Amino acid sequence: RKEVEQDPGPFNVPEGATVAFNCTYSNSASQSFFWYRQDCRKEPKLLMSVYSSGNEDGRFTAQLNRASQYISLLIRDSKLSDSATYLCVVNGRSNYQLIWGAGTKLIIKP
Amino acid sequence: DAMVIQNPRYQVTQFGKPVTLSCSQTLNHNVMYWYQQKSSQAPKLLFHYYDKDFNNEADTPDNFQSRRPNTSFCFLDIRSPGLGDAAMYLCATSREAGTSQTQYFGPGTRLLVL
Repeated sequence: RKEVEQDPGPFNVPEGATVAFNCTYSNSASQSFFWYRQDCRKEPKLLMSVYSSGNEDGRFTAQLNRASQYISLLIRDSKLSDSATYLCVVNGRSNYQLIWGAGTKLIIKP
Repeated sequence: DAMVIQNPRYQVTQFGKPVTLSCSQTLNHNVMYWYQQKSSQAPKLLFHYYDKDFNNEADTPDNFQSRRPNTSFCFLDIRSPGLGDAAMYLCATSREAGTSQTQYFGPGTRLLVL
């Protein structure tokens, strides 16, 4: 089992719709969780950190489910500009190591 | 305005010919990372520096080396590139070590091996 797993997609979603995807992780001791966004042939950029209590930033909501060991990302009122790959990142077993998922590709269609 | 700069953006090299990729940062961050990312795959950490302390990942091939002559610059040397080393190479920085730190990425160098 991979340490961080994501559905690769692509998720094809009409503009304005709500879309959600999950990421599962294997290390029950993980404490740090992030969602990064990566546009085609560009570098990853931090979208948001994921806190235990869940957090929201505009149209984006991130949640953590420790019992089932997954994090989720919800995008409301999706825009064409949301089309990207969303990478889930979880800390590894050392104090510096981050484990990256391979990403979920999202395509927003007009 | 650029914070993490990578040069060149595209690099073509020949099989077995040494190549050096460079990264510089204006953030004065302590930690610099090198990742390899192949198409549709997760970024794979090769190594990182905390200040001058070099930390190699256990599964990073010996073919990959790194240098950090000062806080601002970090280099990735591929001694004998193989076809399988064709990838995007991403440099990242963080202010401190620790998994709660945000990592800031450069635009990457896309390496093609002929």
